[in-house]
Amino acid sequence: DAKTTQPNSMESNEEEPVHLPCNHSTISGTDYIHWYRQLPSQGPEYVIHGLTSNVNNRMASLAIAEDRKSSTLILHRATLRDAAVYYCILRDTTAGGTSYGKLTFGQGTILTVHP
Amino acid sequence: GAGVSQSPRYKVAKRGQDVALRCDPISGHVSLFWYQQALGQGPEFLTYFQNEAQLDKSGLPSDRFFAERPEGSVSTLKIQRTQQEDSAVYLCASSLRGLYGNEQFFGPGTRLTVL
Repeated sequence: DAKTTQPNSMESNEEEPVHLPCNHSTISGTDYIHWYRQLPSQGPEYVIHGLTSNVNNRMASLAIAEDRKSSTLILHRATLRDAAVYYCILRDTTAGGTSYGKLTFGQGTILTVHP
Repeated sequence: GAGVSQSPRYKVAKRGQDVALRCDPISGHVSLFWYQQALGQGPEFLTYFQNEAQLDKSGLPSDRFFAERPEGSVSTLKIQRTQQEDSAVYLCASSLRGLYGNEQFFGPGTRLTVL
């Protein structure tokens, strides 16, 4: 899987929007952009994914640059429960590929939310 | 509904002991993944099952690590002759179908400490 680059840490205040950036300059046309987060002492959980168009779900929004070389996870109103490590991951969707959908995690971004 | 469960949640082993870690995936999920997460790092892929077939074991760090899923549901990760460097959180994840198609649901992990 192609490599992603994220800031080591970010801080936010409660009820403010948070924009978590991810660079993936070597992304290929068959890579989906996935975001997972890991709350303290828990396993990672899926947040959102997209290919080319911006995506929204109940948890977050994903804004994908037109050239797909970067993306931003947007939490519209951060809460204390959003404090976690956020991972941006590229998943190869090539049919017959050997990745079997395994996730290749980087270091992620540690998000701290202040009350 | 029931999510992915793992047992035990915590395991302390003396160096040289064998350990067995259990994963109960979500019922009906075809794909099962094991990951290893060292302190302060993102999870790293160990092995992948599609039903009972182990299709990828490229991430297993040594021949002391062995995984099985004999009936295509519950999986066990076994570590023989544990070493201190095996201390980590072992995460299990399942997804509905194989390849890239679906989000992975993670269990809470088993924290292994080797003394």
